[in-house]
Amino acid sequence: NAGVTQTPKFQVLKTGQSMTLQCAQDMNHEYMSWYRQDPGMGLRLIHYSVGAGITDQGEVPNGYNVSRSTTEDFPLRLLSAAPSQTSVYFCASSYSGQALGEAFFGQGTRLTVV
Amino acid sequence: TQLLEQSPQFLSIQEGENLTVYCNSSSVFSSLQWYRQEPGEGPVLLVTVVTGGEVKKLKRLTFQFGDARKDSSLHITAAQPGDTGLYLCAASPSESSYKLIFGSGTRLLVRP
Repeated sequence: NAGVTQTPKFQVLKTGQSMTLQCAQDMNHEYMSWYRQDPGMGLRLIHYSVGAGITDQGEVPNGYNVSRSTTEDFPLRLLSAAPSQTSVYFCASSYSGQALGEAFFGQGTRLTVV
Repeated sequence: TQLLEQSPQFLSIQEGENLTVYCNSSSVFSSLQWYRQEPGEGPVLLVTVVTGGEVKKLKRLTFQFGDARKDSSLHITAAQPGDTGLYLCAASPSESSYKLIFGSGTRLLVRP
């Protein structure tokens, strides 16, 4: 019962470095998404995907790239890290058979950019 | 601008008290969800409400979807320390969209 798996759990980056946050799900869900969570801001949608090869921007996409080559994986790339990207990042997946299905979340990646 | 406004932002109560948290919007939603998040974990779905005026109960938690499908409330009866957490409402901006937008959350602390 792995569900949604995120790696790493913690990461410290220097300003300007790049990295990839990994997300994998084993539930055969078509819909996957990335959120960031900052104090007092709830979760804000970064990018999402409705299936392999299809991605789109959410509310706060700048500074992030995504790709979806398989149903299982949805990595999030930080191109040039900035202190403003210090946050907790959550990946989620859901069954796209209905417009508002249950979203299953990973445990999050806590990223600090110094 | 937040699509979903939650209130209050923070609530600290004594064990055994009742409380209500609110999720409001100027938009109409086809359905709305409530999630609970504990420290160090991702959110977990509590309920989905679909019909205007709908009331759903989950043990001591009662969820209501407004008649006009623009707002929702979560009422907890006889709160317990185990209810402590961040409560988030979420909705899609349109019936055909798979984008899930979250409110800013209500952080609940139940003191023993």
